[in-house]
Amino acid sequence: QKEVEQDPGPLSVPEGAIVSLNCTYSNSAFQYFMWYRQYSRKGPELLMYTYSSGNKEDGRFTAQVDKSSKYISLFIRDSQPSDSATYLCAMSAGGGNKLTFGTGTQLKVEL
Amino acid sequence: GAVVSQHPSWVICKSGTSVKIECRSLDFQATTMFWYRQFPKQSLMLMATSNEGSKATYEQGVEKDKFLINHASLTLSTLTVTSAHPEDSSFYICSARALSQGQETQYFGPGTRLLVL
Repeated sequence: QKEVEQDPGPLSVPEGAIVSLNCTYSNSAFQYFMWYRQYSRKGPELLMYTYSSGNKEDGRFTAQVDKSSKYISLFIRDSQPSDSATYLCAMSAGGGNKLTFGTGTQLKVEL
Repeated sequence: GAVVSQHPSWVICKSGTSVKIECRSLDFQATTMFWYRQFPKQSLMLMATSNEGSKATYEQGVEKDKFLINHASLTLSTLTVTSAHPEDSSFYICSARALSQGQETQYFGPGTRLLVL
């Protein structure tokens, strides 16, 4: 069993839809949770950073962490074609230390 | 925000040759940098952790004599793929640990695509 599980998709939604992306994990030592966006043939770009449980909102993006269920989510409101990318969840036991990534979910937002 | 660059962005080489990839933190100093490898449609796999002024720490299964890492300054780490073979063809991405808005996390470079013929 992988430490971090993420549905690879692809996930296709119409423009304006609310997108829900999720990851589950097994390592209870993880305290820091991140979402990265990766466009094709590019490096990952940090989108959201959350410590421990709770919600965090930044513009159209909301990150949720439920440590009791070992489940994290990223919500994208009013999705745009420019949001089409692969979204990677990542987590670590200590901030900027070793990150464990999910496989990434490929998202396509269609006009 | 923290900016990390990589050079070259892509490289094609013959089997048996060595290739050096540079990773630079442009607007901050990074005592710790990380090297990842990503195969098509797969996630990032950590290869090694590079600490300025000391030896790199390699993940299990990564050959340290094949993937040479040097972190000689606070803004530069290099990865040298020695005697490259076709199975080394991959997307190599570095990251640098930085403190931003009170949070310490990793910022990634744009990646280097390596094709070994």
